[in-house]
Amino acid sequence: SQQGEEDPQALSIQEGENATMNCSYKTSINNLQWYRQNSGRGLVHLILIRSNEREKHSGRLRVTLDTSKKSSSLLITASRAADTASYFCATDASPEGGSRLTFGEGTQLTVNP
Amino acid sequence: EAGVVQSPRYKIIEKKQPVAFWCNPISGHNTLYWYRQNLGQGPELLIRYENEEAVDDSQLPKDRFSAERLKGVDSTLKIQPAELGDSAVYLCASSLVWWGSTNEKLFFGSGTQLSVL
Repeated sequence: SQQGEEDPQALSIQEGENATMNCSYKTSINNLQWYRQNSGRGLVHLILIRSNEREKHSGRLRVTLDTSKKSSSLLITASRAADTASYFCATDASPEGGSRLTFGEGTQLTVNP
Repeated sequence: EAGVVQSPRYKIIEKKQPVAFWCNPISGHNTLYWYRQNLGQGPELLIRYENEEAVDDSQLPKDRFSAERLKGVDSTLKIQPAELGDSAVYLCASSLVWWGSTNEKLFFGSGTQLSVL
């Protein structure tokens, strides 16, 4: 079953603009992760934010986490055509440790040159 | 460093035929995952191994799916017999999990795209 729900399902922007994707989830989590998937490829880990963190940066990526609202957002600044991909949030709610990630359905981002 | 290697890349079979997928995780990774990804959706976990032990197979349809991870390294996922609804991308992932830790990221292979006709 899918725990995370991404919004929007699809996003089309121009190069240089910022892209914001949102993720909502249902249960308490240990951490939330964002992955990128280029067409026909596997997923690539982008960033992990722990449940006790509120914001995290990595290069052009900024992730926020609001555990009271059970939501997260991924901001990609100054987007490039190479950022075109599907973006998935994944939540880890495993109580015993290790990773049991549950993925959302993804946001398809298209960056037009 | 080599990433997660999966084979074959593509597989086309007729329904009721058996099929097998192979995965070689990143060297040293003790945890291996098989995910299924339907078109336009996110991956769904089928089974998770810690070393040789299947610690989470609650989502694996055990009537037709089986998996093994001999010697805690390579893994195979088998479907027998395949059904039309099994058409999907089968992704393998690995990670290095420390006992009690909950902050592991997964490394994915490119997947096997299965088409059942």
